[in-house]
Amino acid sequence: GAVVSQHPSRVICKSGTSVKIECRSLDFQATTMFWYRQFPKQSLMLMATSNEGSKATYEQGVEKDKFLINHASLTLSTLTVTSAHPEDSSFYICSARDEAGNTEAFFGQGTRLTVV
Amino acid sequence: TQLLEQSPQFLSIQEGENLTVYCNSSSVFSSLQWYRQEPGEGPVLLVTVVTGGEVKKLKRLTFQFGDARKDSSLHITAAQPGDTGLYLCAASFTGGGNKLTFGTGTQLKVEL
Repeated sequence: GAVVSQHPSRVICKSGTSVKIECRSLDFQATTMFWYRQFPKQSLMLMATSNEGSKATYEQGVEKDKFLINHASLTLSTLTVTSAHPEDSSFYICSARDEAGNTEAFFGQGTRLTVV
Repeated sequence: TQLLEQSPQFLSIQEGENLTVYCNSSSVFSSLQWYRQEPGEGPVLLVTVVTGGEVKKLKRLTFQFGDARKDSSLHITAAQPGDTGLYLCAASFTGGGNKLTFGTGTQLKVEL
């Protein structure tokens, strides 16, 4: 099946710094990718929809200046957490759907962000 | 905003028991997926259902899609410790594009 690769899998950063997370579709093109946030023992909450070549669409309550999304190619989307604070510590997961009519969504392995 | 409610939220059972997890919405789904997630990993797709009344089986797992396409269930027969994990339903809604909305999740623990 299709593979979505997310990097890094774990990152620790200091408060006030920025962290970039990459999401790549390895064997299919994805004009749309999705970024989720997950707190321990909770479900996935959609943060934003990343659109190739255009601005991302953010869900209500998600700060677009805090969570910068760039989708510069059909196989890569990046999420940058700017001026990170400890409350930004979470598990971030990306997904992509094959645009060739497949309804299945493929997920990355997730990134555990810890802000100290 | 569409909401997907799952029940139960937590389930702890003994090996060999059967269980059912429910996923309900007030809106009609265009398609619904069930995922299982283990700690520190992304969700892994179990099944996709798109037709009202559809039943799919995956070994000891049986998935059912409600006739009205507003609910779904996952039944596990003779649960094993390897079934332990977070089970998530996720749906696409008409007019929602490719966006997936996730259910509230069911944390299952199967003990020896």
